[in-house]
Amino acid sequence: GALVYQYPRRTICKSGTSMRMECQAVGFQATSVAWYRQSPQKTFELIALSTVNSAIKYEQNFTQEKFPISHPNLSFSSMTVLNAYLEDRGLYLCGAREGNTGQLYFGEGSKLTVL
Amino acid sequence: GDQVEQSPSALSLHEGTDSALRCNFTTTMRSVQWFRQNSRGSLISLFYLASGTKENGRLKSAFDSKERRYSTLHIRDAQLEDSGTYFCAAEAAGYQNFYFGKGTSLTVIP
Repeated sequence: GALVYQYPRRTICKSGTSMRMECQAVGFQATSVAWYRQSPQKTFELIALSTVNSAIKYEQNFTQEKFPISHPNLSFSSMTVLNAYLEDRGLYLCGAREGNTGQLYFGEGSKLTVL
Repeated sequence: GDQVEQSPSALSLHEGTDSALRCNFTTTMRSVQWFRQNSRGSLISLFYLASGTKENGRLKSAFDSKERRYSTLHIRDAQLEDSGTYFCAAEAAGYQNFYFGKGTSLTVIP
């Protein structure tokens, strides 16, 4: 079956430091990967959509300079939160989209706590 | 503004009863997906629909095939293990982004 592994599960970092998270699709080809942040209030924000061999599209309020993303092949993507501050805390989730069906599969998320 | 409006935001059900969650869309959507988020934060996919209805056990989902402006998730004979937060996510026609509703926190009471 289709699985998405995301790691690390949680990170505690000091203000101004960075956190990198990785997302691995297993059992299917992820033609695109969407990165989301879920706030402590449970609201989802789309950060960016990454499609292999296409430019990464960032949503308003999110930039490549702050959230650089790498998506080198159909099974792997990574995102870094640079210079993390309190407002960056939350659960970061990668959603990998299966090319054949269009369905999104999610990893377990990477929870970021900023001290 | 929000493209996906999910209701209700919270719901309490007695075991054995039925209910429905709904997502309204401010624009025509290409597809919709329903998830349940467990206590660890994992998003478990329940249904993915490009049109019509799908059923799995006590759960059934429908996506308005005509105007593509709403979707529903029906829960039949609610059980304690159905408790959790349910989200719909919809993809606008012409785009590849899925936008989430704000979730429905479901509590099933014995």
